Amino acid sequence: EAGVTQFPSHSVIEKGQTVTLRCDPISGHDNLYWYRRVMGKEIKFLLHFVKESKQDESGMPNNRFLAERTGGTYSTLKVQPAELEDSGVYFCASSQDWTSGSTYNEQFFGPGTRLTVL
Amino acid sequence: AQSVTQLGSHVSVSEGALVLLRCNYSSSVPPYLFWYVQYPNQGLQLLLKYTSAATLVKGINGFEAEFKKSETSFHLTKPSAHMSDAAEYFCAVSLNRDDKIIFGKGTRLHILP
Repeated sequence: EAGVTQFPSHSVIEKGQTVTLRCDPISGHDNLYWYRRVMGKEIKFLLHFVKESKQDESGMPNNRFLAERTGGTYSTLKVQPAELEDSGVYFCASSQDWTSGSTYNEQFFGPGTRLTVL
Repeated sequence: AQSVTQLGSHVSVSEGALVLLRCNYSSSVPPYLFWYVQYPNQGLQLLLKYTSAATLVKGINGFEAEFKKSETSFHLTKPSAHMSDAAEYFCAVSLNRDDKIIFGKGTRLHILP
């Protein structure tokens, strides 16, 4: 079974440009999460989708970030316009439906997208 | 509010020696606790998790961690380090089953030959 995939693996853009990151969760996983690690800092939560709905977007840093999950499958995270402080590694994770009955639904992480804003 | 503190951003141990990575957490309710590992050029991988069952949790690759409520700690140990253990390790906490994960800053483990 394929794991969580993210595209691209690396992106280098100039300040002011737009970048779109994509995440494909494990098939059948209704929960999808975005996290970010800025250089030298801890990994921080950005937002959580349940299917196509935003369950929690408390970690989104500002309105330059837009996340979508049309159809409840893959998700995109758009940064527009990008700023220098947006550089970092963006991780996506997915987990099973909350109705699975398990004690805890493990979040499976993708390899991340390294974003560099010059 | 939940938080996680990892003591030491870099830890070096000799091959064959004990590995001890320290983690303390803060949570208003009994949490779920995790250790994740990130090998070079790879994503995050779950090493082990505590979900209110046994306080001594065994994970993959010979790692284990003990939940100590009185000390609010969840230290990660491995009796004998191997060169392949060189990686960055993250302690993390979550409140609910599908809730966001709060990570510590990470500890990079170096294995000396």
